[in-house]
Amino acid sequence: EVQLVESGGGLVQPGGSLRLSCAASGFTFSSYVMSWVRQAPGKGLEWVSGISSSGGNTYYADSMKGRFTISRDNSKNTLYLQMNSLRAEDTAVYYCAKGRRATVVVELGYWGQGNLVTVSS
Amino acid sequence: QSALTQPASVSGSPGQSITISCTGTSSDVGGYNYVSWYQQHPDKAPKLLIYDVSNRPSGVSNRFSGSKSGNTASLTISGLQAEDEADYYCSSYTSSSTLVFGGGTKLTAL
Repeated sequence: EVQLVESGGGLVQPGGSLRLSCAASGFTFSSYVMSWVRQAPGKGLEWVSGISSSGGNTYYADSMKGRFTISRDNSKNTLYLQMNSLRAEDTAVYYCAKGRRATVVVELGYWGQGNLVTVSS
Repeated sequence: QSALTQPASVSGSPGQSITISCTGTSSDVGGYNYVSWYQQHPDKAPKLLIYDVSNRPSGVSNRFSGSKSGNTASLTISGLQAEDEADYYCSSYTSSSTLVFGGGTKLTAL
């Protein structure tokens, strides 16, 4: 059974940093593209970033470029999202999601339960 | 990358069929057969319903079907059931190698 468990969220002050983790199990982690998706309170889904199976290719939504960095450790079956210079508008539930392919993010077949990040003073 | 356009809400009676549209551009929906649809119940993670325009993952009811014409994709739910009441989102692969979601559609089962 595919399982994705996010951690690392919480309350952070504006301008601060946070690193989210996503522990994967139940599938060959190193064979699939992975993504982060966020959802602000009461709002819709927003794709944040994706990374190829090897980690050699990374993709970002325009609004996240330069502040967020996606990475993965295939030896630990773990996906990461480093978030810097956080703003109030980054407050959201952040989901880790698994794609069906190795290199490109075209759909998200499995999702974690989500992890809340709150940016506030 | 602008969000894909979906109606904010749709409604239908049990047993009826409803269709949700998802409009993009030639750089996303119209350019690739990589449209997906997701169902999200309140306080739950989204669930993949349709991928590659019209394919259903294993375990998804055949009451859900997808199609595409030009820059607009559609999700049809037939035989509407009370449990189908949820938010629905489309997504598409883009020419920038990114993913873009629609704004979401709230389905109300009357």
